[in-house]
Amino acid sequence: NAGVMQNPRHLVRRRGQEARLRCSPMKGHSHVYWYRQLPEEGLKFMVYLQKENIIDESGMPKERFSAEFPKEGPSILRIQQVVRGDSAAYFCASSPEGAGKQYFGPGTRLTVT
Amino acid sequence: DQQVKQNSPSLSVQEGRISILNCDYTNSMFDYFLWYKKYPAEGPTFLISISSIKDKNEDGRFTVFLNKSAKHLSLHIVPSQPGDSAVYFCAASYNTDKLIFGTGTRLQVFP
Repeated sequence: NAGVMQNPRHLVRRRGQEARLRCSPMKGHSHVYWYRQLPEEGLKFMVYLQKENIIDESGMPKERFSAEFPKEGPSILRIQQVVRGDSAAYFCASSPEGAGKQYFGPGTRLTVT
Repeated sequence: DQQVKQNSPSLSVQEGRISILNCDYTNSMFDYFLWYKKYPAEGPTFLISISSIKDKNEDGRFTVFLNKSAKHLSLHIVPSQPGDSAVYFCAASYNTDKLIFGTGTRLQVFP
């Protein structure tokens, strides 16, 4: 029973490039959450999605960031025109419907040079 | 606005003793609280949770206490083991929505 999968684990991008982070939730889980952890800080909520729907994007920066969870395939967090301040660990979590507990993936560490 | 606070950035405890990690929150609407453990370069791992209708929940060596009037929860680990050395995050949610995390407490258990 595979856990939450994220890839890539490490991603290096130059300023101005695009970053695409992928997340496959646990089997049977229909809720996906994205969090970001800056160095020496806690995890900050970014966006909450269900299949084909964005439920809550109150934590997403207004520009350059977008997320989707299509009917088929993984959830994608997309960051356009990356800047050095985007360097962080990005974690995806999933949960079954109606459950408060969330299961986290190993994270993608994005470095912007 | 930090709704969930862990005021102790680090804690050092001898093996076999009790570890007590604390967490305070400000939003009285929170109805579910969780503790996660995190090793470097890994994702958070769920440890234990508690609903706001309870004041205590136990799972093996881990016990979480909730004091709603004080808006305070704590995690007790007894006995502490070297493998417990990690960063511990307190988190809270409302209506099974997003998790709001504290900044974490680094626990070190020494022999």
